[in-house]
Amino acid sequence: DAGVIQSPRHEVTEMGQEVTLRCKPISGHNSLFWYRQTMMRGLELLIYFNNNVPIDDSGMPEDRFSAKMPNASFSTLKIQPSEPRDSAVYFCASRAGLLASNQPQHFGDGTRLSIL
Amino acid sequence: AQTVTQSQPEMSVQEAETVTLSCTYDTSESDYYLFWYKQPPSRQMILVIRQEAYKQQNATENRFSVNFQKAAKSFSLKISDSQLGDAAMYFCAYKDSSNTGKLIFGQGTTLQVKP
Repeated sequence: DAGVIQSPRHEVTEMGQEVTLRCKPISGHNSLFWYRQTMMRGLELLIYFNNNVPIDDSGMPEDRFSAKMPNASFSTLKIQPSEPRDSAVYFCASRAGLLASNQPQHFGDGTRLSIL
Repeated sequence: AQTVTQSQPEMSVQEAETVTLSCTYDTSESDYYLFWYKQPPSRQMILVIRQEAYKQQNATENRFSVNFQKAAKSFSLKISDSQLGDAAMYFCAYKDSSNTGKLIFGQGTTLQVKP
């Protein structure tokens, strides 16, 4: 079975550029999560969707960050304009079942983002 | 607010030995779920084991087992017969049973396995 697929695996870009990270959740999963991982802050939940609807975006750091889930099989996280402090590994995760259930989240391989 | 604490930033174990990673959490809920995830240098986040708070029996997955102490709000991970491939960062995570899918992660423990 295909797991959560993220692209690109690595992204290096200059400050001020727009960055788009992509995620394909596991087929049949109805919740999708975007995380950011840094040495200083550890794993931070940025936003999550349930049935393609954003449920909680309180972790999105600022207006430069936006996320969409146009359908059940695709989501994007966009940073515009990017800044060096956005450099991190960004993970996408998906899970099945009701939000209240014990189903685990399944993670993608992450995108390592470097903003110069 | 719920919090998860892993007080050991780094641990090491000799190959074939047993090691225990600590995790404590704070919650006022009675029903919740706990997870351990492994993140090797390849940076994948891999589910190792999970425990439902309503179950008294400790979860076990092959060489991995937990010691779940609900009253003490403790959820430690025991790795038996440690292998070189167990070297990774391990994260403890909490999820309550309310209508939210959010996981709350600890800071992680880096495990080194010595040959």
